[in-house]
Amino acid sequence: GAGVSQSPSNKVTEKGKDVELRCDPISGHTALYWYRQSLGQGLEFLIYFQGNSAPDKSGLPSDRFSAERTGGSVSTLTIQRTQQEDSAVYLCASSGSGGARHEQFFGPGTRLTVL
Amino acid sequence: RKEVEQDPGPFNVPEGATVAFNCTYSNSASQSFFWYRQDCRKEPKLLMSVYSSGNEDGRFTAQLNRASQYISLLIRDSKLSDSATYLCVVSYTGNTPLVFGKGTRLSVIA
Repeated sequence: GAGVSQSPSNKVTEKGKDVELRCDPISGHTALYWYRQSLGQGLEFLIYFQGNSAPDKSGLPSDRFSAERTGGSVSTLTIQRTQQEDSAVYLCASSGSGGARHEQFFGPGTRLTVL
Repeated sequence: RKEVEQDPGPFNVPEGATVAFNCTYSNSASQSFFWYRQDCRKEPKLLMSVYSSGNEDGRFTAQLNRASQYISLLIRDSKLSDSATYLCVVSYTGNTPLVFGKGTRLSVIA
């Protein structure tokens, strides 16, 4: 079946602009995660959605970052007033349950470059 | 101290060699452990879960030492296709996101 998809695959923007990144999880997966990976760094957790529960936003680096998940499926990560340090690959993952024992399937990522 | 620490490498080994990676984690409450593989400019993919009793999947063997808080991955008979970055991953409870190490880079050379 279809895996996790993300769009756009690449995004180049100017400092100060807002960007929206989209994630389509695997159908039926209840948990959705956003991570980011800067060059040469590990994956950094951003935000986590599990079913209808309030999202875990503890990883968001600043109030310029927000995310929503509509209808328990598609998620959008929004970065307002982008800064150069926001440049990274933003990865979305989904799993069949919030339990960490369930494998997380990653999308191909969106490579964000802020000029 | 980093939550999950790995030797970044690179480990350059010839085909057929056996190579081992270690990883340490700081939170003794960690409950679940995994090795993910990430190819260059690709997304991470689950390689194997790590169980307390140790587990094997073909050429790959994973071990967990809770007392010393480290996890290992052994790759036997290395193939060129094993070249990738190997990410050590832990989670603390059943409903928290994964915590990733920065990865260990492996290059298998013909």
